[in-house]
Amino acid sequence: QQPVQSPQAVILREGEDAVINCSSSKALYSVHWYRQKHGEAPVFLMILLKGGEQKGHEKISASFNEKKQQSSLYLTASQLSYSGTYFCGTQKDADKLIFGTGTRLQVFP
Amino acid sequence: EAQVTQNPRYLITVTGKKLTVTCSQNMNHEYMSWYRQDPGLGLRQIYYSMNVEVTDKGDVPEGYKVSRKEKRNFPLILESPSPNQTSLYFCASSPGTSGIGQYFGPGTRLTVT
Repeated sequence: QQPVQSPQAVILREGEDAVINCSSSKALYSVHWYRQKHGEAPVFLMILLKGGEQKGHEKISASFNEKKQQSSLYLTASQLSYSGTYFCGTQKDADKLIFGTGTRLQVFP
Repeated sequence: EAQVTQNPRYLITVTGKKLTVTCSQNMNHEYMSWYRQDPGLGLRQIYYSMNVEVTDKGDVPEGYKVSRKEKRNFPLILESPSPNQTSLYFCASSPGTSGIGQYFGPGTRLTVT
C-alpha cells in the first residue's frame, strides 16, 4: 500500500517555509525522504526509524510519529535549490521500500 | 568515485525483443533494487536483492527478471517487452536495509513500440 503524500504540489517564495506530510495505513519500521530534481535521479535526504525521533539536515528536518504512522518533512527558509519533487518511502520491515507519489515543490525568487 | 551506473541510458525497442538493462555499483553494497517511475505513480519497486543469489519481488515484478550473481551487478531483464513497460527505470543500492538510505543510478529511459 503506497503511502499518501500531501500536498501534491507547493509553490513558495524564497525564504518561506513548507511542510510535506506522508501517511501510511500500515505500522512502519522506517520512513525515508528523497528529493528528485527534474531529469535527475532521486537523492537521499534522511531516514527516520520508529521511535518518534526528529532529524535535521541544514534547514530541512523531519519527524516521525510512529503511533499515527505519519512523517512530516519541514523546509525552513526555502532556497531556490530546494525546488524538486519530494518522495517519502516507507518500510514495514527492513526490506521493501514503498514510495509515495511525490510532492512537487517550486521555489521562486 | 562512489556511484551506481546503468546502461543504456536511453533505449527504444520493439515489442517482444528481449533486452537487458545493466546496473553496477562500486560501493560494495549488499542491497540492490530496481524501480520504475511513471507520471503520477511515483517510484514502484520491481525487484530487490539483499545479497548475492538472494532476490525477491517488489510491488510490480510481472514481466521482469533479475539475477544477482555478483555483489556489484544487478541486471534487469525484460524477456518480452510490451508497450506498458515504457517507463523510466532506476537502479539503487545501499549498504544494508536497516536505517540506511539508498543511492540511485542515473536512470534508463525505455520506450517499447
